[in-house]
Amino acid sequence: QSVLTQPPSVSAAPGQKVTISCSGSSSNIGNNYVSWYQHLPGTAPKLLIYDSNKRPSGIPDRFSGSKSGTSATLGITGLQTGDEADYYCGTWDSSLSAMLFGGGTKVTVL
Amino acid sequence: QLQLQESGPGLVKPSETLSLTCTVSGGSISSGSYYWGWIRQPPGKGLEWIGSMYYSGNTYYNASLKSRVIISVDTSKNQFSLKLNSEGAADTAVYYCARHLGFYSSSRFDPWGQGTLVTVSS
Repeated sequence: QSVLTQPPSVSAAPGQKVTISCSGSSSNIGNNYVSWYQHLPGTAPKLLIYDSNKRPSGIPDRFSGSKSGTSATLGITGLQTGDEADYYCGTWDSSLSAMLFGGGTKVTVL
Repeated sequence: QLQLQESGPGLVKPSETLSLTCTVSGGSISSGSYYWGWIRQPPGKGLEWIGSMYYSGNTYYNASLKSRVIISVDTSKNQFSLKLNSEGAADTAVYYCARHLGFYSSSRFDPWGQGTLVTVSS
């Protein structure tokens, strides 16, 4: 069981919006930045969001991130079939001196 | 463009050492303020951080694996390596190497290697 809690799955129709939550504590999300990754089976995970709300070059603005207190959220607008993947949040835990990942959320486009 | 590629045996026996190497191309492993890390994903499960190290040798490990893991670097070959004393099937996973940016508060991994499946079985 992960220290960072994500819903196992979310779904929406093409063109709609989904949000994925990531809940932690003061030792991790509460005092550190959050990153988000997209992982399609058989491929390398891709960094989507870093520093809680910044997008690396090449990541479309359909992907957004936010953080409030000990929780973070990834938003995907204009959902496309190519967005079907597993999404993971990640952050440093200052008490554990360790990088943590959430359990992952599977996004399904209906 | 920085690229990483994992290599090593795909099958390891229980109680033997799982050894993987990550070759970095398109940039020097000893330039910049970057750590270099290993992450694994057991079948049907999520991502698990194994550990990260700086090219000069400073290393951080996941506490749950620390007693069985060694991460090392060979700057002359632009490679870093993972050695894990396998316990059994629980170590079966896809193993990824990645550049670890923003160590501590701004930690994130980018880019990642393609990953390599290691099966622990007799």
